[in-house]
Amino acid sequence: QVQLQESGPGLVKPSQTLSLTCTVSGGSIISGSYYWTWMRQPAGKRLEWIGRIYTSGGPHYNPALKRRVTISRDTPKNQFSLKLTSVTAADTAFYYCARAGGVTSWFDSWGRGTPVTVSS
Amino acid sequence: DIVMTQSPDSLAVSLGERATISCESSQSILYRSDNNNYLAWYQQKPGQPPKLLIYWASTRESGVPHRFSGSGSGTHFSLTISSLQAEDVAVYYCQQYFNTPPTFGQGTKVEI
Repeated sequence: QVQLQESGPGLVKPSQTLSLTCTVSGGSIISGSYYWTWMRQPAGKRLEWIGRIYTSGGPHYNPALKRRVTISRDTPKNQFSLKLTSVTAADTAFYYCARAGGVTSWFDSWGRGTPVTVSS
Repeated sequence: DIVMTQSPDSLAVSLGERATISCESSQSILYRSDNNNYLAWYQQKPGQPPKLLIYWASTRESGVPHRFSGSGSGTHFSLTISSLQAEDVAVYYCQQYFNTPPTFGQGTKVEI
């Protein structure tokens, strides 16, 4: 069974870049037809989809975050990553990586999430 | 973006009783060409990620107890827990995957 685990700094200063990595075990990120996804959940608010990267294709981002987001893949390490530039307090949230089985699909596997606080 | 609205925001139910959560989408998420409703339900317990319960509005994920059931079509959906157990205390979310970006409801907290 595939497992996902997020890692990265828990504290980022305003205007800097948030960088997180999702390590996938139990399956290759380049096999199958999966969409490897980043989402976030500010405290007390609903989950927000940030973007995804396909098994063998390019990324696709939430238009609301598109100009600040980059999602990339490191195939040898079986990881995918999130970079979010010019962060503000509004980017403080629990960040999750997850797997979807299609371009329009539910999320069947999730990492445990990692908290990120934007503060000076 | 499709807006998903759940009701109620919180729900207190006695052990063994039925719990029903509603979810409404701002536009139909029924894809007529395949007659599927593009809706999933998740359960999130404190300190844990969301866990997939149901997809295609009514198909239970493998391993999910039969007391969980989903229904509805078009823009109105519901999740029912037929006989609430102590381990069902959690926040429940609906999610549409009809359009990108996929969007979630605000969550419904179920308590004993």
